[in-house]
Amino acid sequence: DTGVSQDPRHKITKRGQNVTFRCDPISEHNRLYWYRQTLGQGPEFLTYFQNEAQLEKSRLLSDRFSAERPKGSFSTLEIQRTEQGDSAMYLCASSTNAGYEQYFGPGTRLTVT
Amino acid sequence: EDQVTQSPEALRLQEGESSSLNCSYTVSGLRGLFWYRQDPGKGPEFLFTLYSAGEEKEKERLKATLTKKESFLHITAPKPEDSATYLCAVRHGSGNTGKLIFGQGTTLQVKP
Repeated sequence: DTGVSQDPRHKITKRGQNVTFRCDPISEHNRLYWYRQTLGQGPEFLTYFQNEAQLEKSRLLSDRFSAERPKGSFSTLEIQRTEQGDSAMYLCASSTNAGYEQYFGPGTRLTVT
Repeated sequence: EDQVTQSPEALRLQEGESSSLNCSYTVSGLRGLFWYRQDPGKGPEFLFTLYSAGEEKEKERLKATLTKKESFLHITAPKPEDSATYLCAVRHGSGNTGKLIFGQGTTLQVKP
């Protein structure tokens, strides 16, 4: 399977703990995106990388959130000092430089207790 | 402000009963309108991209159309396996943004 992969698929953590998610994009895709989706809503944009450069960040991405893509391949999203409001599905997507279509991974479901 | 609104929120159809889903948008300089299908607990699956008014795309029982203010996803003779949430998203034209702005989705249930 050469689609976008995310790890872990599910994460349960206690409030105040740090969590890190990983995303592996489709191999030939230079662009990588992170979104957050809560129940009954569409995905909300968090941030976007072109190769290793983080080009855009949403206001939703508070200072507790940080994303990296150090070698322009996989990406990590870290949430520090988690809050119950961080409970959501975290989605990663990738695309080529030329294409606008974004292909999504299966998501990481975060539950903060 | 860029905005996407989908209607209805939920739709129940009998197998074979054709219908349409609506996506209304307000965006500064449209650079693509996207339709995705999402099954429960999974990531969105790409269906179509439309770029300009009058454009149409088809895939099996689905047909997407675009005007200057809205898009429709027509479902012809749906089957139970078409049951899912259908998401509409837009990308606006300013700068080099990668951001897609999504609507809240329409949840379709097709009963046999």
